[in-house]
Amino acid sequence: EAQVTQNPRYLITVTGKKLTVTCSQNMNHEYMSWYRQDPGLGLRQIYYSMNVEVTDKGDVPEGYKVSRKEKRNFPLILESPSPNQTSLYFCASTFTSGYEQYFGPGTRLTVT
Amino acid sequence: AQSVTQPDIHITVSEGASLELRCNYSYGATPYLFWYVQSPGQGLQLLLKYFSGDTLVQGIKGFEAEFKRSQSSFNLRKPSVHWSDAAEYFCAVNDQAGTALIFGKGTTLSVSS
Repeated sequence: EAQVTQNPRYLITVTGKKLTVTCSQNMNHEYMSWYRQDPGLGLRQIYYSMNVEVTDKGDVPEGYKVSRKEKRNFPLILESPSPNQTSLYFCASTFTSGYEQYFGPGTRLTVT
Repeated sequence: AQSVTQPDIHITVSEGASLELRCNYSYGATPYLFWYVQSPGQGLQLLLKYFSGDTLVQGIKGFEAEFKRSQSSFNLRKPSVHWSDAAEYFCAVNDQAGTALIFGKGTTLSVSS
């Protein structure tokens, strides 16, 4: 089954404790993205990747890092999480630029 | 800059009644437009998309949308709503670089019996 998977689905952590949210897709897509969803703000792109070793900032990149060492994986790293990063995070992938994106199930992160 | 406006934050429709969710976009060229649905606790599922051609597009679950360039709109419709349609609906447009989707803030649909 074609899908985007994320882990963990739920995470509660404390300020400053580094964490990684994994994302993997099995569709051989070149483009992958991370979005965060906040009430009243919709979804906003954090980072995207056009291919292996090619990443760039989206609209809200502050406090986040990403890497793309393999085509299928695109982890999101929060090196020093803060409470304002409490949010619902979605990973997405697409075959090529401009086309529909396929979303993972989401990771709900709470930073206390 | 591209933007998407969904004027209705929350809509309640009776089961069996028709539905129209509004979406207006701002885009300098021919946009690629999308509607996604998010059920409670779930990810986003693509309902339909418009790239070019016929301005009335059909999607899954009985939804359709009409692209109107003159009104910069891409409204979502369904002739008869089911209780399972209760969810949050997002309209989106691709950014001009093609590297991101620009989302509206969403419309929450409630279905009353």
